[in-house]
Amino acid sequence: DIQMTQSPSSLSASVGDRVTITCRASQSISNYLNWYQQKPGKVPKFLIYAASSLQSGVPSRFSGSGSGTDFSLTISSLQPEDFATYYCQQTYTTPNTFGQGTKLEIK
Amino acid sequence: QVQLQQSGPGLVKPSQTLSLTCVISGDSVSSSSATWNWLRQSPSRGLEWLGRTYYRSKWYNDYAVSVKSRVTINPDTSKNHFSLQLSSVTPEDTAVYYCARAGAYSSTWPFDYWGQGTLVTVSS
Repeated sequence: DIQMTQSPSSLSASVGDRVTITCRASQSISNYLNWYQQKPGKVPKFLIYAASSLQSGVPSRFSGSGSGTDFSLTISSLQPEDFATYYCQQTYTTPNTFGQGTKLEIK
Repeated sequence: QVQLQQSGPGLVKPSQTLSLTCVISGDSVSSSSATWNWLRQSPSRGLEWLGRTYYRSKWYNDYAVSVKSRVTINPDTSKNHFSLQLSSVTPEDTAVYYCARAGAYSSTWPFDYWGQGTLVTVSS
């Protein structure tokens, strides 16, 4: 199975900050990398596909980059509604594996 | 707008079979541009993909190795739903279970629509 490792596991930041979350795959996955946001008690929400393409309706402050094994999710100016847990996922091959999550908390 | 509605018991006894159903509206289980997936989430395992079913001129299934000997995912075209059966459950199978659609976005197949989640507790 392809292992997905996110860093950091948790992150404290303030409204207006720029934050970056990284995701590393245990082998090359080209651009088969997606990002999700999950708030407590809620269903994961699909944000970004193909490493850098924004899903319709997702604010432009979210952006993704990377290819191969190293990827990142950047939020350019944190808003109160962005505090959540973020997951990366590879769909290069089955099983489609997820990172362990990065919890973004208010400082 | 695609919607997925899950149903099934929230409590299952050890050694019994967990059964969940996911009813699809706004799409078809036979769609050639989607796959239909089951996942679960627990503090110990995180988000774990269990398997999928999809139609490409015929039906296909893929399962995670960790549950392959115990899991079955079946489509039902007459009711436009798909189901999960996980046999011989133990307390380690306690988790929130989700159904999800994977759509063809630049061929990367993200999970774009999710069911509401079902907390399944395995306990006597």
